Amino acid sequence: QSALTQPASVSGSPGQSITISCTGTSSDVGGYNYVSWYQQHPGKAPKLMIYEVSNRPSGVPDRFSGSKSGNTASLTISGLQAEDEADYYCSSYTSSSTEVFGGGTKLTVL
Amino acid sequence: EVQLVESGGGLVQPGGSLRLSCAASGFTFSSYWMHWVRQAPGKGLVWVSRINSDGSSTSYADSVKGRFTISRDNAKNTLYLQMNSLRAEDTAVYYCARAPPGSGPDYWGQGTLVTVSS
Repeated sequence: QSALTQPASVSGSPGQSITISCTGTSSDVGGYNYVSWYQQHPGKAPKLMIYEVSNRPSGVPDRFSGSKSGNTASLTISGLQAEDEADYYCSSYTSSSTEVFGGGTKLTVL
Repeated sequence: EVQLVESGGGLVQPGGSLRLSCAASGFTFSSYWMHWVRQAPGKGLVWVSRINSDGSSTSYADSVKGRFTISRDNAKNTLYLQMNSLRAEDTAVYYCARAPPGSGPDYWGQGTLVTVSS
């Protein structure tokens, strides 16, 4: 049950695009289309931003998009806004019928 | 409106026990899987446990297996986490989260803090 691998931090200027990667194995990310992405502001509960690799819940701006290639999933945020500054986590279903999260990525909007 | 409200956290000594509860409202509780996820101070999210819709199937992270037990009462719309043999490394905010069957968590509660210390 090793955590999925995410970069510790990414940054971008307002209006730019950034991508956060999430690397696992064929037993989790690569084996299932059950990858989710969460946004967490300090002191707040996580909020679902993407589910099942590329689907956006209602209310999530279409600036947020998700994709997957092999054992790596990605979250792209286009048109960065100040309020996007937060921690982002990926998660995946696993072959052991468990869930695994990434270590988290701190997004800084410059 | 979906609401998940955790309770039962607090300060407990190493080796002690605690039972967390999560009261659900605003959706058909018995139709959803439920998860517990924890977050140590200043650290990332760590999955703890999952239970299916009718409580017949559960799974646990290796770090809590044999010490924690997840359960649910669909008549009371409540999820539980019984935590025994607590260790300092179990100190964290514990979140309950709802999940459509087979999918990842979608709605999360605000969390309850568990501190294990002498």
